[in-house]
Amino acid sequence: TQLLEQSPQFLSIQEGENLTVYCNSSSVFSSLQWYRQEPGEGPVLLVTVVTGGEVKKLKRLTFQFGDARKDSSLHITAAQPGDTGLYLCAAQNTNAGKSTFGDGTTLTVKP
Amino acid sequence: EAQVTQNPRYLITVTGKKLTVTCSQNMNHEYMSWYRQDPGLGLRQIYYSMNVEVTDKGDVPEGYKVSRKEKRNFPLILESPSPNQTSLYFCASSLRPGVAGELFFGEGSRLTVL
Repeated sequence: TQLLEQSPQFLSIQEGENLTVYCNSSSVFSSLQWYRQEPGEGPVLLVTVVTGGEVKKLKRLTFQFGDARKDSSLHITAAQPGDTGLYLCAAQNTNAGKSTFGDGTTLTVKP
Repeated sequence: EAQVTQNPRYLITVTGKKLTVTCSQNMNHEYMSWYRQDPGLGLRQIYYSMNVEVTDKGDVPEGYKVSRKEKRNFPLILESPSPNQTSLYFCASSLRPGVAGELFFGEGSRLTVL
């Protein structure tokens, strides 16, 4: 089993602060995705990164895929209470059917 | 509306009583998968299916069975549930797995085995 380690596991910040969540592995992945999950719902895709070094922006969220395609980061600028949720990274490898998820980062943004 | 539908959403059962959690998608997706979510462990893949009549084990398949007789349905079967299968279960589908394949998740089925 290829492991994805996310850090931090929990993060509680004030509205307006910036934060970064990390997703690391010792394995190389062909692609990596970030999902956000709210209580009582299934995860929803935020972004997919495929190319090493790739940077994608989604409003206040910036996603980066490491040059070696072993790690990724999610940076949120000026966090808002609506950003509160569980953030999950997920990766796929040569066996396209198998997907591995990180343990998740629970983010709480206080007004 | 494009969606993945799971039933039941909540279930309390007893050890050894066979149960089935149904999953249906209306997006004509080829790929479907089951996950369980436990505190601090993220989502762990149980089984997946690349297409009709094609299923394969994920990382935690023990104690579970699946079938894919139709493209839209992918039921999860617990032949003899045990307390360690108490968990939150998610079904997901994708047009194509792997690179750039977005997973669409159901709302989850919370199972408690006493």
